[in-house]
Amino acid sequence: NAGVTQTPKFRILKIGQSMTLQCTQDMNHNYMYWYRQDPGMGLKLIYYSVGAGITDKGEVPNGYNVSRSTTEDFPLRLELAAPSQTSVYFCASSYDKQGGANQPQHFGDGTRLSIL
Amino acid sequence: AQKVTQAQTEISVVEKEDVTLDCVYETRDTTYYLFWYKQPPSGELVFLIRRNSFDEQNEISGRYSWNFQKSTSSFNFTITASQVVDSAVYFCALTDYSSASKIIFGSGTRLSIRP
Repeated sequence: NAGVTQTPKFRILKIGQSMTLQCTQDMNHNYMYWYRQDPGMGLKLIYYSVGAGITDKGEVPNGYNVSRSTTEDFPLRLELAAPSQTSVYFCASSYDKQGGANQPQHFGDGTRLSIL
Repeated sequence: AQKVTQAQTEISVVEKEDVTLDCVYETRDTTYYLFWYKQPPSGELVFLIRRNSFDEQNEISGRYSWNFQKSTSSFNFTITASQVVDSAVYFCALTDYSSASKIIFGSGTRLSIRP
């Protein structure tokens, strides 16, 4: 199984550019999440989705947008890239909500994004 | 407010030594879950364990063991007979049972095992 797949793995953007980070999972998980990890820090939740058509803000949503048109895909959009968005971005999925009875989150390998 | 504190920023030990990574949490919820994740140098996150707030039994998995104590709000992780492959950043995390959004990660402990 592929699990959670993120593309691209690396990207450099100029200030003000936009881009979409792709995330897809093949485990038929209902819940999907986007995190960012700043250097030397833990993960912070940007957005999450509990199912197709439903998204909600996490701890640090400003500057980002998401959509969930299918169960498999959960893209993260940066509209106007800023240096503060330089980070490693992780997508994750789970069958149930975090801490639920089923197995916890499966993480993708991350996207390393630099804004210059 | 929920909070996870990993006071040890970096730990370095010689191979085969035992090492304990500390995790202290704060929450007002009575039902919650605690996690440990490993992030090796390659960068991916690897799930190690989940423990719910009703189960204070210690858990052992090979060289890994976890000590959950509600009285001190701690969920410490011990690696016995450490190996170089254990070198990684380890994160402790907390979430309440009812929410999909309230997962809080600690800042991580960087563990280096010297041969």
